[in-house]
Amino acid sequence: QQQVKQSPQSLIVQKGGIPIINCAYENTAFDYFPWYQQFPGKGPALLIAIRPDVSEKKEGRFTISFNKSAKQFSLHIMDSQPGDSATYFCAASTRSDMRFGAGTRLTVKP
Amino acid sequence: DVKVTQSSRYLVKRTGEKVFLECVQDMDHENMFWYRQDPGLGLRLIYFSYDVKMKEKGDIPEGYSVSREKKERFSLILESASTNQTSMYLCASRVRSSYNSPLHFGNGTRLTVT
Repeated sequence: QQQVKQSPQSLIVQKGGIPIINCAYENTAFDYFPWYQQFPGKGPALLIAIRPDVSEKKEGRFTISFNKSAKQFSLHIMDSQPGDSATYFCAASTRSDMRFGAGTRLTVKP
Repeated sequence: DVKVTQSSRYLVKRTGEKVFLECVQDMDHENMFWYRQDPGLGLRLIYFSYDVKMKEKGDIPEGYSVSREKKERFSLILESASTNQTSMYLCASRVRSSYNSPLHFGNGTRLTVT
């Protein structure tokens, strides 16, 4: 029933590594694909987002790659830091609603 | 900055009780949402509202209802709480007019039903 499938469920990398989180969707009505970052005790906060007419978007150390034909998108975190340790959610949105993936718990070891 | 405020941080209720979770946003957003967050399942959409008195079912509406009488306030109601509704509940809002507007979340209400 999950409209957005996300993997892996958890990820451990060393500081400086490049964690990659993958998501896939089926509904072609989705037209906005954000990623959210959540720290313990807080609500998720927008990290970066992409539109389906763009194949890649970079903001600082965070990059989204988008493959419209495959209906897949992924988040890459360059030069990861311990402060990036958090849960990451991909999402897909129409004008009225937004659906989330199951989340990836990322741990970056010093 | 947008502020989404959820009335309770922690709530403990008994099975069968009627439970109200309140959410208020201060930015005149049209769209408001209720999600529940469970380990391994992510954020699942319960209900959303795209305007006052309007509501739409999400993926898991069973056992829940909502009320949106004023634009800034969106209430989630558990008609008869059950133990499988023990969860973290997150409220969010966003502007409707821009298709790429982000969701702004509250910090959540952790509900325990005993």
